[in-house]
Amino acid sequence: GPKVLQIPSHQIIDMGQMVTLNCDPVSNHLYFYWYKQILGQQMEFLVNFYNGKVMEKSKLFKDQFSVERPDGSYFTLKIQPTALEDSAVYFCASSSGLGGREQYFGPGTRLTVL
Amino acid sequence: QQKVQQSPESLSVPEGGMASLNCTSSDRNFQYFWWYRQHSGEGPKALMSIFSDGDKKEGRFTAHLNKASLHVSLHIRDSQPSDSALYFCAASERSNYAQGLTFGLGTRVSVFP
Repeated sequence: GPKVLQIPSHQIIDMGQMVTLNCDPVSNHLYFYWYKQILGQQMEFLVNFYNGKVMEKSKLFKDQFSVERPDGSYFTLKIQPTALEDSAVYFCASSSGLGGREQYFGPGTRLTVL
Repeated sequence: QQKVQQSPESLSVPEGGMASLNCTSSDRNFQYFWWYRQHSGEGPKALMSIFSDGDKKEGRFTAHLNKASLHVSLHIRDSQPSDSALYFCAASERSNYAQGLTFGLGTRVSVFP
């Protein structure tokens, strides 16, 4: 079936550094999402993105976060600067349409901030 | 309070048996419900969606939605070892753009021989 790829699978960085998480969504999908999951807690929505714009963001999407998809390449989540509480698994998802369309998830990037 | 609550936290089922998972929402704006399954080391994968009251069956999986009580259930018939995974209930509002999903904490299902 359709696959979403995420690069890297693991990332360890020092607090205060910048990190970019990369997502290769399903090829014909138009809507892109980032979710955050801290160990033992529920997966939480961060942001969705369509046609080059952020459509919706949650309160977890801090000012230090940004997303983009330059020229149809990777959909990225950038955190600058990172904080200890940013340590989590970040999942990228994509979907083809609105409302009730299935979101396809990648395998996640485990981010550890030291 | 979490908007999507799941029970039980974990469930052990014999191979060939029936697994029953429950999900309740506290937000009446939620119109779309999904069941996702996540195997270790992978991202969640959608099992099925349910948007209308009543039952929806797909193979060995049957979902049931009661909009009045905002209760959704998932029943897995003839459970297989490959069904051992973390199962999430997720919900979203009806909207004119693609919304983020609200997930529950999950139910861990273990199928034993």
